[in-house]
Amino acid sequence: RKEVEQDPGPFNVPEGATVAFNCTYSNSASQSFFWYRQDCRKEPKLLMSVYSSGNEDGRFTAQLNRASQYISLLIRDSKLSDSATYLCVVKGNTGFQKLVFGTGTRLLVSP
Amino acid sequence: NAGVTQTPKFRILKIGQSMTLQCTQDMNHNYMYWYRQDPGMGLKLIYYSVGAGITDKGEVPNGYNVSRSTTEDFPLRLELAAPSQTSVYFCASSPPMGGGQETQYFGPGTRLLVL
Repeated sequence: RKEVEQDPGPFNVPEGATVAFNCTYSNSASQSFFWYRQDCRKEPKLLMSVYSSGNEDGRFTAQLNRASQYISLLIRDSKLSDSATYLCVVKGNTGFQKLVFGTGTRLLVSP
Repeated sequence: NAGVTQTPKFRILKIGQSMTLQCTQDMNHNYMYWYRQDPGMGLKLIYYSVGAGITDKGEVPNGYNVSRSTTEDFPLRLELAAPSQTSVYFCASSPPMGGGQETQYFGPGTRLLVL
């Protein structure tokens, strides 16, 4: 089983739509969770951290469900500029505490 | 403040050739990392460093070497290039983990093709 699993998509949505991605992780002892965004042929950039209480940043809402070991990202009122790949990232709690990256979910927002 | 810079942007190597991928950061970060990203795969950690003079292996270190003589620089060396090393290589840096400082800042990447 992969440490972090995501639906690769693509998710094709019209502008203004609401779209949600889920991600599951296998290590129940994982401590921290993040969503990164990666544009085509570019480097990943931190979108937001995911807290146990959930957090919101403008049109983006991230949720964590520790019992079921999944993380979600909700994007409201999608913009063309939201088209990208969204990477689910988990930090472990042993050794170096490295980040484990999911393979990403691709989002395409069309006019 | 340039952040994390990488050179070259793109390189074609023949099997058996060697090369060094350069990475420099100007944020005075202690931690630096090298990842590779293959199509349809997540980023895989090759090597990392927690400070000058200290390096350690990640998940996929075979075929690579690193050094960290300064805080700013973290070059990745490929000694005998193989087709399996065709990939996009990203360098990243971060402040020490913990206390909410988990953000990793990535360079623009080096695309390597081994033929």
